[in-house]
Amino acid sequence: SQQGEEDPQALSIQEGENATMNCSYKTSINNLQWYRQNSGRGLVHLILIRSNEREKHSGRLRVTLDTSKKSSSLLITASRAADTASYFCATVSGAGSYQLTFGKGTKLSVIP
Amino acid sequence: GAGVSQSPSNKVTEKGKDVELRCDPISGHTALYWYRQSLGQGLEFLIYFQGNSAPDKSGLPSDRFSAERTGGSVSTLTIQRTQQEDSAVYLCASSLGGQRGAGELFFGEGSRLTVL
Repeated sequence: SQQGEEDPQALSIQEGENATMNCSYKTSINNLQWYRQNSGRGLVHLILIRSNEREKHSGRLRVTLDTSKKSSSLLITASRAADTASYFCATVSGAGSYQLTFGKGTKLSVIP
Repeated sequence: GAGVSQSPSNKVTEKGKDVELRCDPISGHTALYWYRQSLGQGLEFLIYFQGNSAPDKSGLPSDRFSAERTGGSVSTLTIQRTQQEDSAVYLCASSLGGQRGAGELFFGEGSRLTVL
């Protein structure tokens, strides 16, 4: 079953603009992770945010977590054509749990 | 190798045949996962192995699916009597494991299975 649901399903922006993707989930979590998948490739881990954290940064990426709303957002600033990919959130429900549950992803297209 | 290795990268088979998909995790990673991804969809959890613990098989869709992990390293996912709905990309991932639960997963490039 899907725990995380990304929104929007697809997003098209111009190079240089910011891209924001959202993830909502249903049950309490231990941590939430964001992954990127280029077409036809495996997934690449971007960032992990724990339930007691509210914001994390990594380069041009900014992730926020609101546990009261059971939602997270991924912001990519100053987007590049190379950022074109699908982005997935994944949740880990309990402390010590090893099961990651992925959403269906947001397909981002960055137009040069 | 440096990353998670999966083989074959592509497999075309006839309905009713058995297939085996192999995954070589990153050396030292105690946790190993199998996911299935249908075209344009998210990832469907199949099974994971953690150290010497019994595997979590709760995601396997039917008894035609099985997986084993030998010596805590290489894993094989076996699909018996394949059906057309088994067509998908099968992704393997590994992680360091430990007591704190799931952290960063490292994915292989996947095995694309087509059942004719």
